[in-house]
Amino acid sequence: GENVEQHPSTLSVQEGDSAVIKCTYSDSASNYFPWYKQELGKGPQLIIDIRSNVGEKKDQRIAVTLNKTAKHFSLHITETQPEDSAVYFCAASMKGSARQLTFGSGTQLTVLP
Amino acid sequence: SQTIHQWPATLVQPVGSPLSLECTVEGTSNPNLYWYRQAAGRGLQLLFYSVGIGQISSEVPQNLSASRPQDRQFILSSKKLLLSDSGFYLCAWTGTGSGNTIYFGEGSWLTVV
Repeated sequence: GENVEQHPSTLSVQEGDSAVIKCTYSDSASNYFPWYKQELGKGPQLIIDIRSNVGEKKDQRIAVTLNKTAKHFSLHITETQPEDSAVYFCAASMKGSARQLTFGSGTQLTVLP
Repeated sequence: SQTIHQWPATLVQPVGSPLSLECTVEGTSNPNLYWYRQAAGRGLQLLFYSVGIGQISSEVPQNLSASRPQDRQFILSSKKLLLSDSGFYLCAWTGTGSGNTIYFGEGSWLTVV
C-alpha cells in the first residue's frame, strides 16, 4: 500500500519568513495530493491540492509543488503570519480509490511574532 | 453547499460504558463516509469507511463498530469502552463530484476514564 512520509515534524519560523514542508510517497499510481491545516481542537481543513497532471499550483501565499519522478511534493507558505500556526498534513491517494487518503504524520508549524 | 455535522463535540465516558458518535452530511447524496481517529500526537488513522447504506469496511481490528442506517448518516459505536479508545474522532466524506477531495467534520473528543 501507499506510504507517505512527512518532514519536518516541527517547524518554527519568524513572522514574514517562508515555511516549507516536504512529503514523499511510495506508490507511483498515486495521483492526488492534498494538504490540510488543522487548528487545535478542530477537524483538518483542505487548504490546497494538486493532481499529477500539473507540477505546481498556487493560491495566494500558499503553493504546492509535485515531482512525480522523485515521488515527492512540498507545501510552501510565504510571508507567514501567526494565524498560519497549526498542524499541516500532506496526503496521497489514487483516483477512484474509495479507501481514500494516506496521510503523512503531520508538521506542527509555529510562526513566531 | 455541502456541510458535515458531527456530535457530540466532547464527551467523557467511564470504562465499560457504550459509545455512540453520530455524523450527518447535508447537500449531497450517496457520499463515501469515513471515521478517523487521531490519538495523542498527530496521526490520522482510518477506522471505517462506507460507500453506501449498510456497507461498512473496517480498516483495523478494534473495540469499535460503525453503521450507516441512512445515505447521509454514519454512526460510530462501542458496546464497552476501553481506556485506549480515548482520542479525537473525525467523520469525513467525499462526494461523487469532488474526486478524491475529502472533507472533515469538526471532530469529537472522547475521554474514557
